[in-house]
Amino acid sequence: DAKTTQPNSMESNEEEPVHLPCNHSTISGTDYIHWYRQLPSQGPEYVIHGLTSNVNNRMASLAIAEDRKSSTLILHRATLRDAAVYYCILRDKAAGNKLTFGGGTRVLVKP
Amino acid sequence: NAGVTQTPKFQVLKTGQSMTLQCAQDMNHEYMSWYRQDPGMGLRLIHYSVGAGITDQGEVPNGYNVSRSTTEDFPLRLLSAAPSQTSVYFCASSYLGQGAGYGYTFGSGTRLTVV
Repeated sequence: DAKTTQPNSMESNEEEPVHLPCNHSTISGTDYIHWYRQLPSQGPEYVIHGLTSNVNNRMASLAIAEDRKSSTLILHRATLRDAAVYYCILRDKAAGNKLTFGGGTRVLVKP
Repeated sequence: NAGVTQTPKFQVLKTGQSMTLQCAQDMNHEYMSWYRQDPGMGLRLIHYSVGAGITDQGEVPNGYNVSRSTTEDFPLRLLSAAPSQTSVYFCASSYLGQGAGYGYTFGSGTRLTVV
């Protein structure tokens, strides 16, 4: 399965943007880039996904590099509720559509 | 409410006991899967299914069985519980219509302790 690399942790101030990087240099043409977050003591929550083009939704934006070997999740104005572990995952149709979780990035939001 | 429902939320087992963790979804998702999450760790895939009657193994399948007799249900059976199976278990589901282009919906988890 294609793997991703994320920083272990990041800090942000409340109401400032947060840019979460993810490297996926071995991505294949059929891999979708998915982002999930896990709040303390909860199950993972879908955030956003994309294939080639940048994507926006009510939660976040996803910027995908032109060569698709990296991506960035953007939280436009961090709130205390955004403190969570964020997982960048490649979902591969050729590998049975599985989601293989890595370690993720723990985001701390300071008031 | 639509979503993934897991029961029970908490369970304590003695070593050697068996039990079934239930997972049901009402979104007509073809794809369902089970993960376990040990303290301070990420999620690891146990088993998954792409439709009724079809199951396959994930990263850590030993000690667990699954079956998929309906689209809605995907129970996980622990055959003979061991302390190493103490973990939080998450069920997740998704559409498959466009391959990998759909997000997963996760349940709220079952916290299992084996003593």
